[in-house]
Amino acid sequence: QKEVEQNSGPLSVPEGAIASLNCTYSDRGSQSFFWYRQYSGKSPELIMSIYSNGDKEDGRFTAQLNKASQYVSLLIRDSQPSDSATYLCAVLTSGGGADGLTFGKGTHLIIQP
Amino acid sequence: NAGVMQNPRHLVRRRGQEARLRCSPMKGHSHVYWYRQLPEEGLKFMVYLQKENIIDESGMPKERFSAEFPKEGPSILRIQQVVRGDSAAYFCASSPYGATNEKLFFGSGTQLSVL
Repeated sequence: QKEVEQNSGPLSVPEGAIASLNCTYSDRGSQSFFWYRQYSGKSPELIMSIYSNGDKEDGRFTAQLNKASQYVSLLIRDSQPSDSATYLCAVLTSGGGADGLTFGKGTHLIIQP
Repeated sequence: NAGVMQNPRHLVRRRGQEARLRCSPMKGHSHVYWYRQLPEEGLKFMVYLQKENIIDESGMPKERFSAEFPKEGPSILRIQQVVRGDSAAYFCASSPYGATNEKLFFGSGTQLSVL
């Protein structure tokens, strides 16, 4: 049973600060990792993908991956109220056939103006 | 460049009725995935289809649920004899890459409410 765990929150961060979102996964064979942002009542939107250990930066977003610890995180710098959303961690296992990504339940992030 | 189109946006059914949810993938995408999202829950994989083929339906309930992706037209998720527990948001996603399942593009979802 593949599992992806996230703290559901809400995580409250003041505007301008760094928001740190964490995710752990159970399947050591996982190869690809994604962060999706989902506004209330809207569809998930891919914001970051990461495939190798280390950091990957894209604008204000940084994804961090540690396969040994089975841990992936998302940092949002200079947080804005518009970043308030639920952030979904998703994991893909290689050789796992065609089944879909395994998603965590999401972390609800609130940026306080 | 239209994205993934789902309709209807909201669907209300009484217990025992049938629900049909439609999904048109992005242009050029031939791989379609259906996910279900219950309140306060994550997205749960249901089924993966290519044109005229069901590739993986390991997430589909064994009864009452079926999916198709015909050669022409949208993908359809069909739920027969709906029960209150079927109330959820159903998201369709498409991909140009197939089995690697990367870079999914999601539709806006269909919110199914069963009375």
